Order: sequence, then structure tokens, then C-alpha cells
Amino acid sequence: AQSVTQLGSHVSVSEGALVLLRCNYSSSVPPYLFWYVQYPNQGLQLLLKYTSAATLVKGINGFEAEFKKSETSFHLTKPSAHMSDAAEYFCAVSEKASWGKLQFGAGTQVVVTP
Amino acid sequence: DAGVTQSPTHLIKTRGQQVTLRCSPKSGHDTVSWYQQALGQGPQFIFQYYEEEERQRGNFPDRFSGHQFPNYSSELNVNALLLGDSALYLCASSLRGLNNSPLHFGNGTRLTVT
Repeated sequence: AQSVTQLGSHVSVSEGALVLLRCNYSSSVPPYLFWYVQYPNQGLQLLLKYTSAATLVKGINGFEAEFKKSETSFHLTKPSAHMSDAAEYFCAVSEKASWGKLQFGAGTQVVVTP
Repeated sequence: DAGVTQSPTHLIKTRGQQVTLRCSPKSGHDTVSWYQQALGQGPQFIFQYYEEEERQRGNFPDRFSGHQFPNYSSELNVNALLLGDSALYLCASSLRGLNNSPLHFGNGTRLTVT
């Protein structure tokens, strides 16, 4: 069975500061890992994905994440927060044989303060 | 290029009624997955359709059923609605034959059961 844990349901960052969102996973097989962002009253938008290629993955809007197998982590970072980064962020995992069946974490709400 | 479209955007039903939600996948996509997102939680996988058949299913009761049409659009049906079925229902589409084809999500249907 696979699962995802996101540490911190709410994160507040100052504009221009580092954004760090934590995600740990458990999976019996090498997983695919994803980060999605959800703005109010909208669906989910893919930020980036790890599919067993490079362990450092660059995504849209300046975000990146690093897959660390030894720590079973896939933390999301952005060097400098922008007001438009305020949203809810979800980490998700899937097995390679179950493409399209994602297991999501509970989400982290990011608030950006001026 | 139209993305994933869902209808209706909002719906209010009474406990015990039945509801049908609709999804048109992104142009060129052939696989549709449905997710339920309760308030304050991450999305939960309901099921996936490809070639007009249910291919994968999450941990949802038989009250949840679906259909995929020859044009790849899909419906989600929920019978005997419960208060706990109130949620945002998200449809996601992808292209099965393309390795690692990312899921594209619609903006969802907000279902309220009273």
C-alpha cells in the first residue's frame, strides 16, 4: 500500500522568502511522485513530477523538488515566494502500473505575506 | 485547445436522490479518472475509464458508478446520496498510450447534499 504525508497543513512565508513544503511517502515499489497546486474554486494544476529519471525535478513557476529515496521524501521548494504562490499544494504518489490512480496527501495551504 | 470541462459547476441534491456529473476530456486524451475531494482534504481516487470500461477503482461503494462514451467523455453517477457525499468532484484526463502522460484536471463539480 502507498501513502503520502504532508507535514504542516498551513505554511506562512514572507514575499521573497524560501518556500519549503514537505512530503514523505511510503510505497512498496518505486513510485511516481507529483506536486499539484490548487487555487480557490479551481482544479489541480501539475507543478512537477518524478518518474525515475533525474532526482532533482524542475517544474513550472520556479518550483523544484528532490527525490530522496533514502529519506522517502519529495520536498517542494521555491527560492523566492511571490504573492501569486498563495494556494493549496498537494503531494501525490502512484505506482507505475497504476497510472492515473494517484494517492494524494492532505494538502498544505500556503499564505504569502507582504 | 479546450482543457477538461465538467458540468454542472455546482449542484444541490437531497439525501437519497441520484446525481449524474459529466466530464469532457482534454482534446486528444482517451482516459478519464474521477476523484472526490471533501472539504479540507486531498482528492480521493474513485475510478478510471479507458476504452469505455472501468479499469481501476478506489475504495468507494457500488453507489458510485460511471460510464465512458465512444467520444471519450464520461459520466459519474451516485445513487442514494448521503450527506457525506458532499464534496468537489474532479475529473482528470490523460492519454494512455503516451508514457507518463500527466493528468489534466477540470475545475470540478461542487456537490452539496442536504
